[in-house]
Amino acid sequence: DSGVTQTPKHLITATGQRVTLRCSPRSGDLSVYWYQQSLDQGLQFLIQYYNGEERAKGNILERFSAQQFPDLHSELNLSSLELGDSALYFCASSGDSYLMNHNEQFFGPGTRLTVL
Amino acid sequence: GQSLEQPSEVTAVEGAIVQINCTYQTSGFYGLSWYQQHDGGAPTFLSYNGLDGLEETGRFSSFLSRSDSYGYLLLQELQMKDSASYFCARPGDDKIIFGKGTRLHILP
Repeated sequence: DSGVTQTPKHLITATGQRVTLRCSPRSGDLSVYWYQQSLDQGLQFLIQYYNGEERAKGNILERFSAQQFPDLHSELNLSSLELGDSALYFCASSGDSYLMNHNEQFFGPGTRLTVL
Repeated sequence: GQSLEQPSEVTAVEGAIVQINCTYQTSGFYGLSWYQQHDGGAPTFLSYNGLDGLEETGRFSSFLSRSDSYGYLLLQELQMKDSASYFCARPGDDKIIFGKGTRLHILP
């Protein structure tokens, strides 16, 4: 158990809909990262937050947004869902603010999103 | 570019040694991390190399050669529980980039 929690574990929805994925980082970790993992694209970094502020942005679509709240939990919002958004979404946390170093990231169990 | 290349699959025998290679493009390179992911599970951090050389952690070692733009993960005394996917990863310009992963199959 990494100490990172994600809800829900599974989500099934229809195209065009909007969903929210939730993540609670390990106690004391200020950085939260979101990743998308699909079979053909591997693990794709989406976005990083540190202590409530956006720090780094990866391959995140405009239909997707995220935020980190004062209690450090984070939410990833996916809107106008398409079939291709079906994937496993992971949240990870770490104690350090800088992406550029070797900070170990602790991954949550993931949310499996299925868009029908 | 900042992409990473690793083999899609590797097969080895239980008790043996296996090496999983990862090559990278040098632009903005800081170091190389390795993660393990079992089917249905989350990635877990194995090691990081910021400098050239070998880092050892139990049965697992990781190596980096900046002059060759190359690193590898070495797994010794393979056990069936080591069957998993292994990803190399690197911090890039304001993002972290993962390789597509190497699936390790272990034969009894």
